[in-house]
Amino acid sequence: QKEVEQNSGPLSVPEGAIASLNCTYSDRVSQSFFWYRQYSGKSPELIMSIYSNGDKEDGRFTAQLNKASQYVSLLIRDSQPSDSATYLCAVKRPWETGGFKTIFGAGTRLFVKA
Amino acid sequence: DGGITQSPKYLFRKEGQNVTLSCEQNLNHDAMYWYRQDPGQGLRLIYYSQIVNDFQKGDIAEGYSVSREKKESFPLTVTSAQKNPTAFYLCASKEGRGDQPQHFGDGTRLSIL
Repeated sequence: QKEVEQNSGPLSVPEGAIASLNCTYSDRVSQSFFWYRQYSGKSPELIMSIYSNGDKEDGRFTAQLNKASQYVSLLIRDSQPSDSATYLCAVKRPWETGGFKTIFGAGTRLFVKA
Repeated sequence: DGGITQSPKYLFRKEGQNVTLSCEQNLNHDAMYWYRQDPGQGLRLIYYSQIVNDFQKGDIAEGYSVSREKKESFPLTVTSAQKNPTAFYLCASKEGRGDQPQHFGDGTRLSIL
């Protein structure tokens, strides 16, 4: 089982719809959660951070965290073709060697149809 | 403008050759990281450094080496021992040891000639 799992997609939604991206993680002591957007051939760009259970909204983006279910999601409202990218879920957990480690999922490809 | 600069953007390696990827940041971040990204896979940690003159192996350090002689610089050398070096290499930095997220440079795409 991968530590951070995402459906690889592609997830295809029409312009203006809500895109829902999901991520599950295996380590219960994980404490920080991040969503990155990565356009093809480019580097990941941080779009959301969430640290406590519940919802966090920023513009058209809402991150949802449920630590009991070990589940974090990203909702994109009013999806635009420019949102078409791969979305990486990242989870920070204690590392066996001390300190903390960020584990990245393989990403979900989102395609927004005009 | 503060940021993370990786160079070169594209790099080609001949068999048996060592190549060095540059990563410089002017964000005054303590921690720096090197990741490798292969198609359809998540980022895999090669090396990281929490402070100057100190660095630790990540999950896939074999065939790679790093140095951290200055806070702003964390170069990665891909040695000839790395038999499958073709990938997208990403450098990241983070402020402090807390919950802050990592921020990435623009990446270097390495290919074998």
